[in-house]
Amino acid sequence: AQSVTQLGSHVSVSEGALVLLRCNYSSSVPPYLFWYVQYPNQGLQLLLKYTTGATLVKGINGFEAEFKKSETSFHLTKPSAHMSDAAEYFCAVSEGSARQLTFGSGTQLTVLP
Amino acid sequence: KAGVTQTPRYLIKTRGQQVTLSCSPISGHRSVSWYQQTPGQGLQFLFEYFSETQRNKGNFPGRFSGRQFSNSRSEMNVSTLELGDSALYLCASSLEPTSGRSGYFGPGTRLTVT
Repeated sequence: AQSVTQLGSHVSVSEGALVLLRCNYSSSVPPYLFWYVQYPNQGLQLLLKYTTGATLVKGINGFEAEFKKSETSFHLTKPSAHMSDAAEYFCAVSEGSARQLTFGSGTQLTVLP
Repeated sequence: KAGVTQTPRYLIKTRGQQVTLSCSPISGHRSVSWYQQTPGQGLQFLFEYFSETQRNKGNFPGRFSGRQFSNSRSEMNVSTLELGDSALYLCASSLEPTSGRSGYFGPGTRLTVT
């Protein structure tokens, strides 16, 4: 069965600092991996996704994530945090024919001035 | 192209009542998936409809049901509401059955059960 663990329910960074949000997954088959962002009172917005091919995936708003099969990880990074990045971030996995997304519990990112 | 729309955006119901939520997918998309988001359980998959047929189903009681119309709009219904049904209900649309992999989510309907 697929599962996702997001380490750190709350992460705070200073504006301009590196953003690193951690995600580890469990999947019995090669997975599809996703990062979503959710702003208050809004739905989910897809930041990036890994399906096959290049393990370094670039997304919107300067975010990127690297699929590391040996570590079963898909950590999200951004070189320089902006105040507008403050939101909740969800990692998700989808495997094979199951298709449905299994989400992590989310990481609330706070950006300090 | 208009995005995924959900109506209503906010809803307050009383325990024991039933409720119907609506989702209109992106034009041309034929698949609609539904997810429930609660503080305690997080984001959980409810079901997916494609071409008016349920294609995939999560682990929710039979009080949760859905349907899809020929224009691809989907409704989900919750009968005999419980306090624990208070949640943000999100739908996602896609061209093919992907249960939300496509990434096009609506803004959600916030249901409060009192």
